[in-house]
Amino acid sequence: DQQVKQNSPSLSVQEGRISILNCDYTNSMFDYFLWYKKYPAEGPTFLISISSIKDKNEDGRFTVFLNKSAKHLSLHIVPSQPGDSAVYFCAASYRPISSGSARQLTFGSGTQLTVLP
Amino acid sequence: DAGITQSPRHKVTETGTPVTLRCHQTENHRYMYWYRQDPGHGLRLIHYSYGVKDTDKGEVSDGYSVSRSKTEDFLLTLESATSSQTSVYFCAISVPPPSQGRGAIRTLHFGNGTRLTVT
Repeated sequence: DQQVKQNSPSLSVQEGRISILNCDYTNSMFDYFLWYKKYPAEGPTFLISISSIKDKNEDGRFTVFLNKSAKHLSLHIVPSQPGDSAVYFCAASYRPISSGSARQLTFGSGTQLTVLP
Repeated sequence: DAGITQSPRHKVTETGTPVTLRCHQTENHRYMYWYRQDPGHGLRLIHYSYGVKDTDKGEVSDGYSVSRSKTEDFLLTLESATSSQTSVYFCAISVPPPSQGRGAIRTLHFGNGTRLTVT
Protein backbone atom coordinates (compact mmCIF):
# COMPACT_ATOMS: atom_id res chain seq x y z
CA ASP A 1 0.00 0.00 0.00
CA GLN A 2 1.63 3.22 -1.16
CA GLN A 3 1.85 5.78 1.63
CA VAL A 4 2.83 8.56 -0.76
CA LYS A 5 0.94 8.87 -4.01
CA GLN A 6 1.43 10.98 -7.09
CA ASN A 7 -1.61 10.25 -9.18
CA SER A 8 -0.55 12.14 -12.30
CA PRO A 9 2.22 10.32 -14.18
CA SER A 10 2.70 13.26 -16.52
CA LEU A 11 1.96 16.98 -16.91
CA SER A 12 2.53 19.35 -19.82
CA VAL A 13 2.64 23.09 -19.35
CA GLN A 14 3.41 26.04 -21.61
CA GLU A 15 6.56 28.01 -20.87
CA GLY A 16 5.85 30.96 -18.59
CA ARG A 17 2.71 29.43 -17.10
CA ILE A 18 2.32 27.83 -13.69
CA SER A 19 3.07 24.13 -13.12
CA ILE A 20 1.24 22.45 -10.25
CA LEU A 21 2.35 19.02 -9.15
CA ASN A 22 0.29 17.16 -6.58
CA CYS A 23 1.01 14.58 -3.92
CA ASP A 24 -1.17 12.78 -1.39
CA TYR A 25 -0.12 10.81 1.65
CA THR A 26 -1.82 8.45 4.06
CA ASN A 27 0.50 8.20 7.09
CA SER A 28 -0.33 10.86 9.66
CA MET A 29 3.09 10.36 11.29
CA PHE A 30 4.86 12.09 8.42
CA ASP A 31 6.18 15.44 9.63
CA TYR A 32 8.42 16.55 6.77
CA PHE A 33 7.77 16.54 3.08
CA LEU A 34 10.28 16.98 0.29
CA TRP A 35 10.36 17.40 -3.45
CA TYR A 36 13.11 16.03 -5.65
CA LYS A 37 13.76 16.66 -9.34
CA LYS A 38 15.32 14.07 -11.62
CA TYR A 39 16.80 14.47 -15.09
CA PRO A 40 17.47 11.42 -17.29
CA ALA A 41 20.66 9.51 -16.49
CA GLU A 42 21.15 11.51 -13.29
CA GLY A 43 20.25 10.94 -9.66
CA PRO A 44 17.38 12.83 -8.03
CA THR A 45 18.31 16.23 -6.61
CA PHE A 46 16.68 17.90 -3.63
CA LEU A 47 14.46 20.83 -4.52
CA ILE A 48 12.50 22.05 -1.52
CA SER A 49 10.95 20.77 1.70
CA ILE A 50 8.29 21.74 4.20
CA SER A 51 7.69 20.93 7.83
CA SER A 52 4.25 19.83 8.97
CA ILE A 53 4.09 22.88 11.25
CA LYS A 54 3.98 25.12 8.17
CA ASP A 55 1.52 25.36 5.33
CA LYS A 56 3.79 27.06 2.81
CA ASN A 57 7.46 27.25 1.94
CA GLU A 58 8.87 29.30 -0.88
CA ASP A 59 12.21 29.35 -2.64
CA GLY A 60 12.44 31.48 -5.75
CA ARG A 61 10.14 30.10 -8.43
CA PHE A 62 9.24 27.07 -6.31
CA THR A 63 6.57 27.01 -3.62
CA VAL A 64 5.31 24.01 -1.72
CA PHE A 65 1.90 24.06 -0.06
CA LEU A 66 0.82 21.62 2.63
CA ASN A 67 -2.78 20.86 3.60
CA LYS A 68 -2.52 18.57 6.62
CA SER A 69 -6.23 18.01 7.03
CA ALA A 70 -6.46 16.75 3.46
CA LYS A 71 -3.08 14.99 3.64
CA HIS A 72 -2.14 16.75 0.45
CA LEU A 73 0.79 18.79 -0.77
CA SER A 74 1.55 20.51 -3.99
CA LEU A 75 4.54 22.04 -5.71
CA HIS A 76 4.02 25.22 -7.70
CA ILE A 77 6.57 26.37 -10.26
CA VAL A 78 6.08 29.93 -11.51
CA PRO A 79 7.00 30.77 -14.19
CA SER A 80 7.73 27.39 -15.72
CA GLN A 81 10.83 27.11 -17.90
CA PRO A 82 11.89 24.44 -20.41
CA GLY A 83 14.78 23.52 -18.08
CA ASP A 84 12.20 22.49 -15.49
CA SER A 85 11.24 19.51 -17.65
CA ALA A 86 12.08 16.53 -15.46
CA VAL A 87 10.53 13.87 -13.25
CA TYR A 88 9.44 15.27 -9.89
CA PHE A 89 9.26 13.00 -6.86
CA CYS A 90 7.36 13.79 -3.71
CA ALA A 91 8.79 12.25 -0.52
CA ALA A 92 7.75 12.12 3.12
CA SER A 93 9.57 11.48 6.35
CA TYR A 94 8.81 10.97 10.01
CA ARG A 95 10.95 11.07 13.12
CA PRO A 96 12.09 7.52 13.96
CA ILE A 97 11.03 6.03 17.25
CA SER A 98 14.63 5.25 18.19
CA SER A 99 16.56 8.44 18.86
CA GLY A 100 19.71 7.03 17.29
CA SER A 101 18.06 6.09 14.01
CA ALA A 102 18.07 8.14 10.83
CA ARG A 103 14.98 9.45 9.18
CA GLN A 104 13.93 7.51 6.12
CA LEU A 105 12.18 8.85 3.07
CA THR A 106 9.13 7.32 1.43
CA PHE A 107 8.82 8.36 -2.20
CA GLY A 108 5.91 8.72 -4.54
CA SER A 109 6.01 7.27 -8.05
CA GLY A 110 6.89 10.56 -9.72
CA THR A 111 5.37 12.99 -12.23
CA GLN A 112 7.02 13.74 -15.57
CA LEU A 113 6.76 17.48 -16.16
CA THR A 114 7.21 18.74 -19.70
CA VAL A 115 7.45 22.49 -20.23
CA LEU A 116 6.73 23.39 -23.83
CA PRO A 117 8.56 26.36 -25.39
CA ASP B 1 28.46 15.97 -7.55
CA ALA B 2 28.97 16.12 -3.75
CA GLY B 3 31.37 13.17 -3.77
CA ILE B 4 29.26 10.13 -4.61
CA THR B 5 30.42 7.71 -7.27
CA GLN B 6 28.52 4.62 -8.32
CA SER B 7 30.12 1.83 -10.31
CA PRO B 8 29.48 0.40 -12.75
CA ARG B 9 27.09 2.83 -14.46
CA HIS B 10 25.66 0.06 -16.62
CA LYS B 11 25.64 -3.70 -16.15
CA VAL B 12 24.08 -6.56 -18.10
CA THR B 13 24.12 -9.94 -16.43
CA GLU B 14 22.47 -13.31 -16.70
CA THR B 15 19.91 -14.79 -14.34
CA GLY B 16 21.53 -16.66 -11.50
CA THR B 17 24.85 -14.81 -11.52
CA PRO B 18 26.10 -12.75 -8.58
CA VAL B 19 26.39 -9.00 -9.01
CA THR B 20 27.95 -6.36 -6.79
CA LEU B 21 27.31 -2.66 -7.13
CA ARG B 22 29.61 -0.18 -5.47
CA CYS B 23 28.94 3.21 -3.93
CA HIS B 24 31.85 5.40 -2.91
CA GLN B 25 31.65 8.70 -1.04
CA THR B 26 34.42 11.15 -0.29
CA GLU B 27 32.75 13.22 2.44
CA ASN B 28 32.76 10.88 5.43
CA HIS B 29 28.98 10.84 5.89
CA ARG B 30 27.64 8.36 8.39
CA TYR B 31 24.39 7.31 6.70
CA MET B 32 24.31 5.65 3.29
CA TYR B 33 21.37 4.15 1.40
CA TRP B 34 20.57 1.94 -1.57
CA TYR B 35 17.36 2.58 -3.52
CA ARG B 36 15.93 1.08 -6.66
CA GLN B 37 13.80 3.02 -9.12
CA ASP B 38 11.12 1.30 -11.15
CA PRO B 39 8.29 2.70 -13.29
CA GLY B 40 5.14 3.17 -11.25
CA HIS B 41 6.97 2.65 -7.96
CA GLY B 42 9.26 5.61 -7.63
CA LEU B 43 12.23 5.05 -5.37
CA ARG B 44 12.15 2.21 -2.87
CA LEU B 45 14.65 1.63 -0.09
CA ILE B 46 16.59 -1.63 -0.26
CA HIS B 47 19.08 -1.35 2.60
CA TYR B 48 20.78 1.40 4.53
CA SER B 49 23.81 1.79 6.74
CA TYR B 50 24.31 3.95 9.83
CA GLY B 51 27.99 3.24 10.27
CA VAL B 52 30.80 0.82 9.50
CA LYS B 53 29.39 -2.71 9.73
CA ASP B 54 26.01 -1.32 10.81
CA THR B 55 23.28 -1.98 8.28
CA ASP B 56 19.54 -2.54 8.25
CA LYS B 57 16.82 -3.62 5.85
CA GLY B 58 14.55 -1.38 3.90
CA GLU B 59 11.23 -1.90 2.18
CA VAL B 60 12.45 -4.25 -0.60
CA SER B 61 15.46 -6.07 0.85
CA ASP B 62 14.68 -9.64 -0.26
CA GLY B 63 17.37 -10.95 -2.63
CA TYR B 64 19.87 -8.25 -1.67
CA SER B 65 22.68 -8.00 0.84
CA VAL B 66 24.96 -5.11 1.72
CA SER B 67 28.30 -4.55 3.35
CA ARG B 68 30.10 -1.54 4.71
CA SER B 69 33.64 -2.28 5.81
CA LYS B 70 34.80 1.32 5.40
CA THR B 71 32.99 4.61 5.90
CA GLU B 72 33.42 5.57 2.28
CA ASP B 73 32.20 2.37 0.60
CA PHE B 74 28.74 0.77 0.63
CA LEU B 75 28.33 -2.35 -1.49
CA LEU B 76 25.08 -3.87 -2.71
CA THR B 77 25.16 -7.54 -3.71
CA LEU B 78 22.64 -9.59 -5.59
CA GLU B 79 23.67 -13.14 -4.68
CA SER B 80 21.76 -14.69 -7.57
CA ALA B 81 20.30 -12.12 -9.93
CA THR B 82 16.72 -12.48 -11.17
CA SER B 83 14.88 -10.65 -13.95
CA SER B 84 12.76 -8.85 -11.34
CA GLN B 85 15.94 -7.13 -10.16
CA THR B 86 16.32 -5.36 -13.49
CA SER B 87 16.18 -1.76 -12.35
CA VAL B 88 18.08 1.46 -11.85
CA TYR B 89 19.90 1.48 -8.53
CA PHE B 90 20.74 4.67 -6.67
CA CYS B 91 23.05 5.15 -3.76
CA ALA B 92 22.48 8.10 -1.44
CA ILE B 93 24.06 9.82 1.54
CA SER B 94 22.32 11.83 4.22
CA VAL B 95 23.51 15.45 4.22
CA PRO B 96 22.68 18.58 6.21
CA PRO B 97 20.00 20.89 4.75
CA PRO B 98 21.37 23.26 2.12
CA SER B 99 19.92 26.34 3.78
CA GLN B 100 17.26 27.22 6.31
CA GLY B 101 15.09 28.77 3.65
CA ARG B 102 14.66 25.53 1.77
CA GLY B 103 14.05 23.17 4.67
CA ALA B 104 15.44 22.25 8.04
CA ILE B 105 16.06 18.52 7.95
CA ARG B 106 18.84 16.43 6.55
CA THR B 107 18.16 15.41 2.99
CA LEU B 108 19.42 12.69 0.70
CA HIS B 109 22.02 13.35 -1.93
CA PHE B 110 22.01 10.73 -4.68
CA GLY B 111 24.60 9.29 -7.00
CA ASN B 112 23.96 9.09 -10.73
CA GLY B 113 22.72 5.52 -10.62
CA THR B 114 23.56 2.09 -12.00
CA ARG B 115 21.33 0.64 -14.68
CA LEU B 116 21.22 -3.13 -14.18
CA THR B 117 19.69 -5.50 -16.72
CA VAL B 118 19.23 -9.16 -15.83
CA THR B 119 18.59 -11.32 -18.88
